[in-house]
Amino acid sequence: QVQLQESGPGLVKPSQTLSLTCTVSGGSISSGDYYWSWIRQPPGKGLEWIGYIYYSGSTYYNPSLKSRVTISVDTSKNQFSLKLSSVTAADTAVYYCARGIGYSYCDYWGQGTLVTVSS
Amino acid sequence: EIVMTQSPATLSVSPGERATLSCRASQSVSSNLAWYQQKPGQAPRLLIYGASTRATGIPARFSGSGSGTEFTLTISSLQSEDFAVYYCQQYNNFLTFGGGTKVEIK
Repeated sequence: QVQLQESGPGLVKPSQTLSLTCTVSGGSISSGDYYWSWIRQPPGKGLEWIGYIYYSGSTYYNPSLKSRVTISVDTSKNQFSLKLSSVTAADTAVYYCARGIGYSYCDYWGQGTLVTVSS
Repeated sequence: EIVMTQSPATLSVSPGERATLSCRASQSVSSNLAWYQQKPGQAPRLLIYGASTRATGIPARFSGSGSGTEFTLTISSLQSEDFAVYYCQQYNNFLTFGGGTKVEIK
């Protein structure tokens, strides 16, 4: 059974960089069948795709966030990571990592981690 | 960007009744459409992909239909555990989600 677990600071100051890591267990991140996504959900609102990465390091980002997002992968640790720069209160959200079947729907999700942007 | 619009925003249904949720895409997404269920404090759960294929372990009372720009999720007989928020998501061009439909107890 594949499991994903997000980790990182729950509080980030405005203008700083949000950094999260997703650890994958029960399966290899290097499998060629999957893309690995970050998705977020502001409190009480809907879901927003941030971007995804292939094990080779190829990335695709939401155009609305592209200038501030970096997603990377560490196959030796079976992890992938998110960096979001110049954060504001609007970036406060639950951040999910998820496994995508190709670059499509997500079949496994982490439990999510709340990141609050506040001074 | 493909915009996904879900209706209604809230659907009040009695247990045992049928629920019909709609999702519209701003341009054709072919059959590249998924549905998710989300309960409070939980991650979304994949229900349907390819517009009409149930994911592993999803009960047969959930069905999806449509193609192009118009899609429907039907829950044939609502059970207590089905009251939740439902999201559609297109994956024809990157990923975008609809705003969600909350299915509540009438």
